[in-house]
Amino acid sequence: DAKTTQPTSMDCAEGRAANLPCNHSTISGNEYVYWYRQIHSQGPQYIIHGLKNNETNEMASLIITEDRKSSTLILPHATLRDTAVYYCIVRALNSGGSNYKLTFGKGTLLTVNP
Amino acid sequence: GAVVSQHPSWVICKSGTSVKIECRSLDFQATTMFWYRQFPKQSLMLMATSNEGSKATYEQGVEKDKFLINHASLTLSTLTVTSAHPEDSSFYICSAGASGRNTGELFFGEGSRLTVL
Repeated sequence: DAKTTQPTSMDCAEGRAANLPCNHSTISGNEYVYWYRQIHSQGPQYIIHGLKNNETNEMASLIITEDRKSSTLILPHATLRDTAVYYCIVRALNSGGSNYKLTFGKGTLLTVNP
Repeated sequence: GAVVSQHPSWVICKSGTSVKIECRSLDFQATTMFWYRQFPKQSLMLMATSNEGSKATYEQGVEKDKFLINHASLTLSTLTVTSAHPEDSSFYICSAGASGRNTGELFFGEGSRLTVL
């Protein structure tokens, strides 16, 4: 998997938008950008993924730059329950097998403050 | 989303004993499951890839004879930590992707915290 670079930590005020950046300058043409988060002592939770177009779901929005070398995960109205480590991962979309695996970096610890 | 369940969620055992952790996909079939280990304040580290009906593929540095993986059905994979020692104390997490679901996301269990005394 291509490497990603994320800030170690970020803070956000409750109710405000949280914008989490990720650099993936060596991403390949067939690799998607996935975002997961891990709340303390729980398993990771899938958030969103995208290839080149911006994506939005009930949890977040994903903005991918035109050159695909970076992306931003946006939590529009952060709550205290959004405090977690957020992982940005790039991976090719395959039909299955060992290529399905996700390789986790260190992620960004987002702390939402009241 | 799809649900992956692990059992037990936590276990304490004596050094030298073996511990089995189960990972089940509750509402989908999973040809492939993955086992991760996470030490305090560290990221998840992939241990092995579990393939239904065949031998697991282990990551470099992971002892296959110590961490036995069985994937006998499309909804169940088990990880057995044999002759556990205190250094095996960790948070073990499994994940699975839905067979035939071409969206690429993996679903993770709640994790199993192992403490070896």
